[in-house]
Amino acid sequence: EVQLVESGGGLVQPGGSLRLSCAASGFTFSSYAMSWVRQAPGKGLEWVSAISESGGSTYYADSLKGRFTISRDNSKNTLYLQMNSLRAEDTALYYCAKKDGYNKPFDCWGQGTLVTVSS
Amino acid sequence: DIQMTQSPSSLSASVGDRVTITCRASQGISNYLAWYQQKPGQVPKLLIYAASTLQSGVPSRFSGSGSGTDFTLTISSLQPEDVATYYCQKYNSAPPYTFGQGTKLEIK
Repeated sequence: EVQLVESGGGLVQPGGSLRLSCAASGFTFSSYAMSWVRQAPGKGLEWVSAISESGGSTYYADSLKGRFTISRDNSKNTLYLQMNSLRAEDTALYYCAKKDGYNKPFDCWGQGTLVTVSS
Repeated sequence: DIQMTQSPSSLSASVGDRVTITCRASQGISNYLAWYQQKPGQVPKLLIYAASTLQSGVPSRFSGSGSGTDFTLTISSLQPEDVATYYCQKYNSAPPYTFGQGTKLEIK
């Protein structure tokens, strides 16, 4: 069974940092591109970042302005999101999602990890 | 970047009604369009991809159509379990993989 389990969320002060992790199982992790998607409380889905199968290509939403870094460790079947200079507007449930292949949609999502930025 | 615009933003319909949600892309995306269903308190679930292909296990009352810039999600006979927010997403080539703003569907 394909499974994605996020961790690392929590309460952080404005300007602080967090690193999210997403542990993957049930599929050949190194063969699939991955993304992070967030959802602020009561709001819609917002694509945040993506990484290619090898990790050699990374992409970010323009709104992040270089504050977030996506990475992956294919030997550990784990996806990461390093978040720096956090702001109140970054408060959201962060999902990792598996892309089903080139020009394919997200076919599997984790349960999400909640990030709250507040003093 | 390509923008995705859904309408309506909310919708109330009766059980058994035919329901239609539209999604418009600001530029052509061929058929690289997916629809997701998110029930309250749950994770988004892939319903339809390639604009009209039903994901395995999705009831046949759901259907999708369109190509280029204009797309439609249709529920042929609304059921109580279809109460959810529906999102379209473009996923062609390179990111950003933009979502529409969502359509909240309720039972009248």
